[in-house]
Amino acid sequence: DTEVTQTPKHLVMGMTNKKSLKCEQHMGHRAMYWYKQKAKKPPELMFVYSYEKLSINESVPSRFSPECPNSSLLNLHLHALQPEDSALYLCASSQAPGWIYEQYFGPGTRLTVT
Amino acid sequence: GENVEQHPSTLSVQEGDSAVIKCTYSDSASNYFPWYKQELGKRPQLIIDIRSNVGEKKDQRIAVTLNKTAKHFSLHITETQPEDSAVYFCAATESGGGGADGLTFGKGTHLIIQP
Repeated sequence: DTEVTQTPKHLVMGMTNKKSLKCEQHMGHRAMYWYKQKAKKPPELMFVYSYEKLSINESVPSRFSPECPNSSLLNLHLHALQPEDSALYLCASSQAPGWIYEQYFGPGTRLTVT
Repeated sequence: GENVEQHPSTLSVQEGDSAVIKCTYSDSASNYFPWYKQELGKRPQLIIDIRSNVGEKKDQRIAVTLNKTAKHFSLHITETQPEDSAVYFCAATESGGGGADGLTFGKGTHLIIQP
């Protein structure tokens, strides 16, 4: 299995809702990432997990809460989002922290906040 | 932090011609430079990458060159085909320092292959 999978593909939520995005990989990768991509813009790094521990938080608002329950799973919990948070949320993984390994992206979750 | 500049923002070439996309980076500690292709509505796909100990890498019609002194790297696509039409992103990161590092992306180049 050489894929990163993400669910759901699309999500529409109101500003008072709580929802979660899920990312899964079964390649044995020990580094996982969340990126946010607005339309016609490049992906922007949000969080990095290294051996299931949060190692980088790029000053992301607390309404985004990441979680890495095990080495194959990465969640992004969403609460009280704003319309400007509407974007494509991409998960990525790479083989091991501390080495130059390729990052592979999942298909993304397209989030719309109403 | 790292800053990556990418040019041009749009590139239109005739089918069969070559396309060149250029990027510069600011952090001299960066040592890994991947290129991603993103088609509309799809995920970014890694097409080629280069590490700082190498000056050039080629994979069929795609090549990447790196000039560490100038902090400059480029993507070259030869014999372009309609399926090469997409947005291309360059990226840079410092890796191998003991932790995982995220990628800093350029703003992207929309490559249009004219039939």
